[in-house]
Amino acid sequence: AQSVTQLDSQVPVFEEAPVELRCNYSSSVSVYLFWYVQYPNQGLQLLLKYLSGSTLVKGINGFEAEFNKSQTSFHLRKPSVHISDTAEYFCAVTPYGGATNKLIFGTGTLLAVQP
Amino acid sequence: EPEVTQTPSHQVTQMGQEVILRCVPISNHLYFYWYRQILGQKVEFLVSFYNNEISEKSEIFDDQFSVERPDGSNFTLKIRSTKLEDSAMYFCASSRQAPEQYFGPGTRLTVT
Repeated sequence: AQSVTQLDSQVPVFEEAPVELRCNYSSSVSVYLFWYVQYPNQGLQLLLKYLSGSTLVKGINGFEAEFNKSQTSFHLRKPSVHISDTAEYFCAVTPYGGATNKLIFGTGTLLAVQP
Repeated sequence: EPEVTQTPSHQVTQMGQEVILRCVPISNHLYFYWYRQILGQKVEFLVSFYNNEISEKSEIFDDQFSVERPDGSNFTLKIRSTKLEDSAMYFCASSRQAPEQYFGPGTRLTVT
């Protein structure tokens, strides 16, 4: 079975500062990894994904994430945040070769960008 | 850009009533999913559907739940007799082939 841990429930940051949202996972098999963003009162939008290849992946809105297999981590980063980045961010995994590709989500991190 | 759509956006129902939540997946997608998010909690997988049958379901997806693809475009989730604890945001998602899934905006279900 897989599990995802997002240790930070909330991350306050000032506008134009860098930010890192942490994600660690546990799995006995290899996984695909995702970050989704949920803006207030909206659905889940795919931010970026790691399927294979380069461990540094770039997504929408200037976000990037690095897959670290030895540390079983997939932290999300942005060098300079905007007020509009205020949202809930969810890390998710699904195992390689799974029959259904069901996503297992972390508990989410609320990124609160302050002026 | 094609999107997953869901109706209604908000449904209020009384305990014990049946509800049907509707989803229109992206048209060339083959895999369909329902997830739910209880307020303040994480998103949880309910069920996946492929080739007109359930391919996997979670422990949450008991006999009170059912899914159907009644035609070539809709994908529905039915809750037969709602309970207070069914109050949640329900998300539909679809996928063409690769593991990434595209989510709809959700239906907020409130059971009173």
